[in-house]
Amino acid sequence: NAGVTQTPKFRILKIGQSMTLQCTQDMNHNYMYWYRQDPGMGLKLIYYSVGAGITDKGEVPNGYNVSRSTTEDFPLRLELAAPSQTSVYFCASTTRAISNQPQHFGDGTRLSIL
Amino acid sequence: EDQVTQSPEALRLQEGESSSLNCSYTVSGLRGLFWYRQDPGKGPEFLFTLYSAGEEKEKERLKATLTKKESFLHITAPKPEDSATYLCAVQGNSGYSTLTFGKGTMLLVSP
Repeated sequence: NAGVTQTPKFRILKIGQSMTLQCTQDMNHNYMYWYRQDPGMGLKLIYYSVGAGITDKGEVPNGYNVSRSTTEDFPLRLELAAPSQTSVYFCASTTRAISNQPQHFGDGTRLSIL
Repeated sequence: EDQVTQSPEALRLQEGESSSLNCSYTVSGLRGLFWYRQDPGKGPEFLFTLYSAGEEKEKERLKATLTKKESFLHITAPKPEDSATYLCAVQGNSGYSTLTFGKGTMLLVSP
């Protein structure tokens, strides 16, 4: 019963490098989300997806890209990493909006950009 | 724009000392208010969903209540294992189950 799995757990990047944060869920959830959490701040929505092939921007999308080719996977791509992207990234998923089900979260990827 | 404000930012209690955490919100058409617990190095863990004013939910030493402007998380006779950051979030009518989170309340319960 894995739930939402994020990899890697930790990563250090140099300024200007690129990387992909992986997120997969085994609950057959339609909706998936990416958040970032900075110290002393709430979770901020980066991107979300309501199904395979459908994505949309959240509150803080600049510097990131996403894709959703399957129901299970929702990778987050950082292009040209910047120090401002140092953060903890969380992926979450839930079922259809109508049922108001809670979002289930992974344990995060801690990313430092130096 | 939906907004969530949590207070206090941090709270230190002695074991057995009951208290409450506050979550004030403004939202366009509340579809749900969610409470999560977050332990260090972990993702948020779901606790409760409240849908309408007057609703209450309980789980062990925790009880969540909801009014039209705020929610309270009451902690009765806390234990050290209740130490965590408690997050409040609202879901309005504006998105696909998207949530707006508060900054959280960090709770420390000392033995």
